Amino acid sequence: GDSVTQMEGPVTLSEEAFLTINCTYTATGYPSLFWYVQYPGEGLQLLLKATKADDKGSNKGFEATYRKETTSFHLEKGSVQVSDSAVYFCALTPTGNQFYFGTGTSLTVIP
Amino acid sequence: EAGVVQSPRYKIIEKKQPVAFWCNPISGHNTLYWYRQNLGQGPELLIRYENEEAVDDSQLPKDRFSAERLKGVDSTLKIQPAELGDSAVYLCASSLVSGRSTGELFFGEGSRLTVL
Repeated sequence: GDSVTQMEGPVTLSEEAFLTINCTYTATGYPSLFWYVQYPGEGLQLLLKATKADDKGSNKGFEATYRKETTSFHLEKGSVQVSDSAVYFCALTPTGNQFYFGTGTSLTVIP
Repeated sequence: EAGVVQSPRYKIIEKKQPVAFWCNPISGHNTLYWYRQNLGQGPELLIRYENEEAVDDSQLPKDRFSAERLKGVDSTLKIQPAELGDSAVYLCASSLVSGRSTGELFFGEGSRLTVL
């Protein structure tokens, strides 16, 4: 069935470091792909999305490119800030109404 | 525009007690989801409504969990009786799904349940 696998955490980086969080997926057809972020004590909120192959989603300095050939949607940011400390979830939907989430990757950015 | 509203934010009960969670989705959103999020895990679907119809409740433990979405708007999730393993955050989400859309999910802040 459809599923998402993301890299294990936790990840600890110094401020201004480069961030990559890996995400690979298994799906039939052409799913839409998402990154959600969950700040402490809050619900999940959409960070970025891509709906077809080679699309690049971007928001708040974060980017991810939909790679069909490698079934990947890795999250990157060139220079992280303390305020980026959160849990990041990769997700997919094959249909627009069924969603599958990864287990989450916790990021802590230290000054 | 108001987001997804959930209550209560926190609930502590003893095992075997009942508990209920309430969700008010974003106005106009036809699809409503209840997820359970265990510590250190991603959200797992419990039930999905399209308008007032439960279209996917395959993961809902029906012996103790029940849900309803009256008039296709607000929804309530109930657990009776609660067990220790039900301790988790219960997330409500909504989306506007029409045809084959990408269906972005909007989440509430969650209801954190602790069963003692």
